[in-house]
Amino acid sequence: DTAVSQTPKYLVTQMGNDKSIKCEQNLGHDTMYWYKQDSKKFLKIMFSYNNKELIINETVPNRFSPKSPDKAHLNLHINSLELGDSAVYFCASSLRDRASYEQYFGPGTRLTVT
Amino acid sequence: QKEVEQDPGPLSVPEGAIVSLNCTYSNSAFQYFMWYRQYSRKGPELLMYTYSSGNKEDGRFTAQVDKSSKYISLFIRDSQPSDSATYLCAMSALGGAGSYQLTFGKGTKLSVIP
Repeated sequence: DTAVSQTPKYLVTQMGNDKSIKCEQNLGHDTMYWYKQDSKKFLKIMFSYNNKELIINETVPNRFSPKSPDKAHLNLHINSLELGDSAVYFCASSLRDRASYEQYFGPGTRLTVT
Repeated sequence: QKEVEQDPGPLSVPEGAIVSLNCTYSNSAFQYFMWYRQYSRKGPELLMYTYSSGNKEDGRFTAQVDKSSKYISLFIRDSQPSDSATYLCAMSALGGAGSYQLTFGKGTKLSVIP
């Protein structure tokens, strides 16, 4: 059973388009995250949600909007895609009281903007 | 200076060798220290975490933290070809929103040659 799943796995799109990435976890966790791993392999937090409420919002363009319909899902919508948005986006989840040391990652969505 | 520095390698060792992976950090507020393993085109997988200075052992893996030197290490004994992956160190500190945020190193790419 997949603990943290993401769809799609690959996404190729043109500049200016709007796209969404979906994430689901079946671990019973109450906190979910979006991370971005750029071409230099740095993995950086973008957003964190706890019980459907935004708790971390790093310096990310407002073209990126996370949506959490329930505790098990956290989607990422990106408007007006730019070349610099090309990266691998990882969803992760944890229990809030273990967020400091135990986060579980999904397989990633490789976004390519042309 | 980045908060977390990690030699990206690549590091190539023969099967059975002892591997030493290291990270240094500058932020004294980091409280938890983690090692993640990331296989090619997969999500990071938590290997170990530590809280205090000292050693923690799990099978062939030993994590070491020296808070006075701001230095952490991961040792892999009897390395196997299946250990070939990128190893990411990560550290967490309490953020402004009252929740922990993870800061990752760049990752060290390890190849274990049969």
